[in-house]
Amino acid sequence: RKEVEQDPGPFNVPEGATVAFNCTYSNSASQSFFWYRQDCRKEPKLLMSVYSSGNEDGRFTAQLNRASQYISLLIRDSKLSDSATYLCVVKDYGGSQGNLIFGKGTKLSVKP
Amino acid sequence: SQTIHQWPATLVQPVGSPLSLECTVEGTSNPNLYWYRQAAGRGLQLLFYSVGIGQISSEVPQNLSASRPQDRQFILSSKKLLLSDSGFYLCAWSEDSYNEQFFGPGTRLTVL
Repeated sequence: RKEVEQDPGPFNVPEGATVAFNCTYSNSASQSFFWYRQDCRKEPKLLMSVYSSGNEDGRFTAQLNRASQYISLLIRDSKLSDSATYLCVVKDYGGSQGNLIFGKGTKLSVKP
Repeated sequence: SQTIHQWPATLVQPVGSPLSLECTVEGTSNPNLYWYRQAAGRGLQLLFYSVGIGQISSEVPQNLSASRPQDRQFILSSKKLLLSDSGFYLCAWSEDSYNEQFFGPGTRLTVL
C-alpha cells in the first residue's frame, strides 16, 4: 500500500527554537510534494510546495530527497503561532487522477 | 480570488437519517472537486473526486454518494447514516490533477 509516514510527535519546543520534521513516502513514482498546516479543528492550509531543488519561504525551508524518498520541513525562530499539525502530502500518480496522499501529521507545540 | 464554502459547519444526526452536505467554489471555472473525511486522530481519506459536471469517481466503498449538478457545486449525500460516518468532512478544489488542493472550512458530523 502506498503510504506517507510521519512522526506524530508532539514536538514541544520553546519560542525561537529551530525544529525539523521528516516524512517518508513509499511510491518512488510520486512527482509532487507539499506541506500543509492544520490548526485544531480547522481545515488544512497549504504551507508550501516542495521542489526538487529545495525551497525557502521566510522561516520555513522544505527539502526533497528523491533517492531516500523523504521530505523535510525546517522551521527557524519558532513562534507561538506556529503551533499546529503539519501534514506531509504526496501527489500519487499511481492512481487514475493522481490524488493527494496525506500523512497523519506531526504535531508541533511552541511554548513561551 | 477563489473561495470555497461548505455548509453546515456542524451537524448532529441520528443513525439511519439522511445526509446532505454542500460545497461551492467561487472565482474559478471547471475545477477538480474532492470530498475527504478525517476521523478523529486519523489522516485525511479521499472519498470522491470530480473532474467535471456529472463525473464522479469513488475512492472508497461506503454508504455515501456524491453529485456535481453544477460546475462549482459538489454535494455529499447518504440515505442512511452509520455511527462510523462521524468525522470531519472536507471539500477541496484544484485547478487540475497536478496542482495543490485548497480546502473549505469543513463540516463536523456527529452521528448518534
